[in-house]
Amino acid sequence: DGGITQSPKYLFRKEGQNVTLSCEQNLNHDAMYWYRQDPGQGLRLIYYSQIVNDFQKGDIAEGYSVSREKKESFPLTVTSAQKNPTAFYLCASTPGGSYEQYFGPGTRLTVT
Amino acid sequence: GESVGLHLPTLSVQEGDNSIINCAYSNSASDYFIWYKQESGKGPQFIIDIRSNMDKRQGQRVTVLLNKTVKHLSLQIAATQPGDSAVYFCAESNAGGTSYGKLTFGQGTILTVHP
Repeated sequence: DGGITQSPKYLFRKEGQNVTLSCEQNLNHDAMYWYRQDPGQGLRLIYYSQIVNDFQKGDIAEGYSVSREKKESFPLTVTSAQKNPTAFYLCASTPGGSYEQYFGPGTRLTVT
Repeated sequence: GESVGLHLPTLSVQEGDNSIINCAYSNSASDYFIWYKQESGKGPQFIIDIRSNMDKRQGQRVTVLLNKTVKHLSLQIAATQPGDSAVYFCAESNAGGTSYGKLTFGQGTILTVHP
């Protein structure tokens, strides 16, 4: 099956700990994106990557970091510097030349 | 309807009715628009898209209308079914010469379909 996988579905962490969210795609898509979604809100772009070994900040990058060492993987680290990390995190990817983003199932992160 | 930056509106309809979800966008340079459906706890799913050189596009039971003059986008769902209950997001993009358009999402509209 082709698609985007995010793991785990639910993640719990203590305040002050860094946590890494996984995003993998086997669609051979070039671009990948990370969004944050808060209750009753739209999606806000954290980081995106158009090619391997390159990524750009989105609208709310502070307190987050990413890497893109492989085309199929785009992990997101939520650092202790992120003041309100509890949220639903969505990963997406796009084939070359397309605008349509394909989304993964999301990871719900709870930090207490 | 919804607009980028405003609170989440809601729409309640009876099964079988037609639904119209509205979206206002602010960037007159946007040249691509897309509608997504998001069910609770899941990732958004593509519904339909439209480019700025069109004013209407139809899919299966769905129609998107684009009015560039007033920067307004709407999604019409015919014969709405309980399975259509979800949050609907519009998103816009301005490629500006880049290959992979970043999408700017609206706040979403909650659609509830009553049997």
